[in-house]
Amino acid sequence: AQSVTQLDSQVPVFEEAPVELRCNYSSSVSVYLFWYVQYPNQGLQLLLKYLSGSTLVKGINGFEAEFNKSQTSFHLRKPSVHISDTAEYFCAVIKGGTGGFKTIFGAGTRLFVKA
Amino acid sequence: DVKVTQSSRYLVKRTGEKVFLECVQDMDHENMFWYRQDPGLGLRLIYFSYDVKMKEKGDIPEGYSVSREKKERFSLILESASTNQTSMYLCASSFGLAGIADTQYFGPGTRLTVL
Repeated sequence: AQSVTQLDSQVPVFEEAPVELRCNYSSSVSVYLFWYVQYPNQGLQLLLKYLSGSTLVKGINGFEAEFNKSQTSFHLRKPSVHISDTAEYFCAVIKGGTGGFKTIFGAGTRLFVKA
Repeated sequence: DVKVTQSSRYLVKRTGEKVFLECVQDMDHENMFWYRQDPGLGLRLIYFSYDVKMKEKGDIPEGYSVSREKKERFSLILESASTNQTSMYLCASSFGLAGIADTQYFGPGTRLTVL
């Protein structure tokens, strides 16, 4: 069963507009949730993570995400995007099993910010 | 800053060749991972290691093997490269014992083309 689903493969948006990138996770996985960003020709880097505590998590570059247990969602938001936010964004969850815990990544959402 | 380096950014090999991808991290991390990244599929875990000389299969280990002789180095081996192994390969590392949800730090990736 899919553990994490990113609902949009591509999101085009104009500069300075708000954006939301959607992520839903399976209720069968643990609630350790991450968003990573991959800029062109680079590896992934952590934007933010939720392990416990406040459901609103703030990350780098003005991004934030809200953990919603009833909706099993962890959507990423930014109130005003810049051209430099153009990148691919990955939602990820931690899943336990034999051999320890593994990070399961979504398929990714490509954010295009247009001038 | 954590640094994860991969031996090559781009690699072109022929079908049937043995291919070595090297990854080195400089932060004394316990855990190391190899992923492949394909459009629309996100990142898929090939192998991971929680300690020297220890390895665990990920979700798609077929056609691959790994070696971890030293803590800082984790090698991915394609025993006999095939065209369906053309992909972007990402190495990652994280600090902490197995079972702890921790941030992964990624290398820049190796884009492998098998002809």
